[in-house]
Amino acid sequence: ETGVTQSPTHLIKTRGQQVTLRCSSQSGHNTVSWYQQALGQGPQFIFQYYREEENGRGNFPPRFSGLQFPNYSSELNVNALELDDSALYLCASSWGQGETEAFFGQGTRLTVV
Amino acid sequence: AQSVTQPDIHITVSEGASLELRCNYSYGATPYLFWYVQSPGQGLQLLLKYFSGDTLVQGIKGFEAEFKRSQSSFNLRKPSVHWSDAAEYFCAVGARRDDKIIFGKGTRLHILP
Repeated sequence: ETGVTQSPTHLIKTRGQQVTLRCSSQSGHNTVSWYQQALGQGPQFIFQYYREEENGRGNFPPRFSGLQFPNYSSELNVNALELDDSALYLCASSWGQGETEAFFGQGTRLTVV
Repeated sequence: AQSVTQPDIHITVSEGASLELRCNYSYGATPYLFWYVQSPGQGLQLLLKYFSGDTLVQGIKGFEAEFKRSQSSFNLRKPSVHWSDAAEYFCAVGARRDDKIIFGKGTRLHILP
């Protein structure tokens, strides 16, 4: 157990809809990163939040957005869902900006139909 | 360009045999290196990490890895595998003050009884 929890665990959405995924970071961590893992692939970096500010972003379109709250929990929002957005979405928490290793949650499996 | 290469997509070993999973990286800065393990449908568990110091690092579950700067490699080893080691293994690279971790595509380990 890493202390990083994600909800929901599974989700089915229709193309064009919007979705919000949630992540509670490990106690003492102030950085949350989100990754997308397509079937059979390694995780791909979406973005990172450090002390409530976006700290970096991968090669994902603007319809992928996020928030970090004062308690350092985080949300990932995806608008205008596409079939290719079907993936496992992983949240990772850490302390500082690349100062420590990241601990991952169990992920949210999103299926877009 | 920053990248991680895991040349073996699948590896099959017999229970009790030794294991080596290969990882090569390309990274401009002094890297932090990680190995994560993922069971089907699950999140990522950190096996071990290298930040600095001794280039042979010990991890959980009897795994170890050796950082070889001259070869840009960080291979994972285990002297005797157990059936419970069957999973997907990901090598990853990051850096201090970097926002993201870059993952390889993974190596699926199969164990023969």
